[in-house]
Amino acid sequence: ELKVEQNPLFLSMQEGKNYTIYCNYSTTSDRLYWYRQDPGKSLESLFVLLSNGAVKQEGRLMASLDTKARLSTLHITAAVHDLSATYFCAVEMNRDDKIIFGKGTRLHILP
Amino acid sequence: NAGVTQTPKFRVLKTGQSMTLLCAQDMNHEYMYWYRQDPGMGLRLIHYSVGEGTTAKGEVPDGYNVSRLKKQNFLLGLESAAPSQTSVYFCASGGRGLSYEQYFGPGTRLTVT
Repeated sequence: ELKVEQNPLFLSMQEGKNYTIYCNYSTTSDRLYWYRQDPGKSLESLFVLLSNGAVKQEGRLMASLDTKARLSTLHITAAVHDLSATYFCAVEMNRDDKIIFGKGTRLHILP
Repeated sequence: NAGVTQTPKFRVLKTGQSMTLLCAQDMNHEYMYWYRQDPGMGLRLIHYSVGEGTTAKGEVPDGYNVSRLKKQNFLLGLESAAPSQTSVYFCASGGRGLSYEQYFGPGTRLTVT
């Protein structure tokens, strides 16, 4: 059974700092997704990582995937208050197309 | 394009009542998913479909049924609602090939009393 673990689950950080959210998963997968959710809203797709070594960047966010280590990271550079949200990673199982989510990381960026 | 829409947006049910949640997408996606979101639990997959006429169980399928009679629609049914099914339900759709991106609907907030 696929398990997806994110850490930390809560993160409070100062504006201008850098930080990384980690997403570990338990079985073989070649596809990993990152989403953002604002309070009371739906999920917004940030990145889709489709192969080992994939790296994608959008603004202050950069995501990477290491399928051998079963690890993805979401790196935040010079955080700004607008990035405050909950971030989810989700992993697609190779053999049956299920997409399983982590519990999310609630990010609070202090001005 | 409307993207992914969900009907209704809110609903209150009494224990034992039944209802159907409708998800519709206009992006010609093959894959569709139903999730529930509870505080501290992330999103949990209820059922999913990889094409018209197909459905499969996710992580938490008990108490729910689904149907995908048309490619653009994915229905989630609760035959006998229980308070444990109080949650926010999200539908998502996605393609394969050129893009694997998943698009989420706005959600349905369901309360079972």
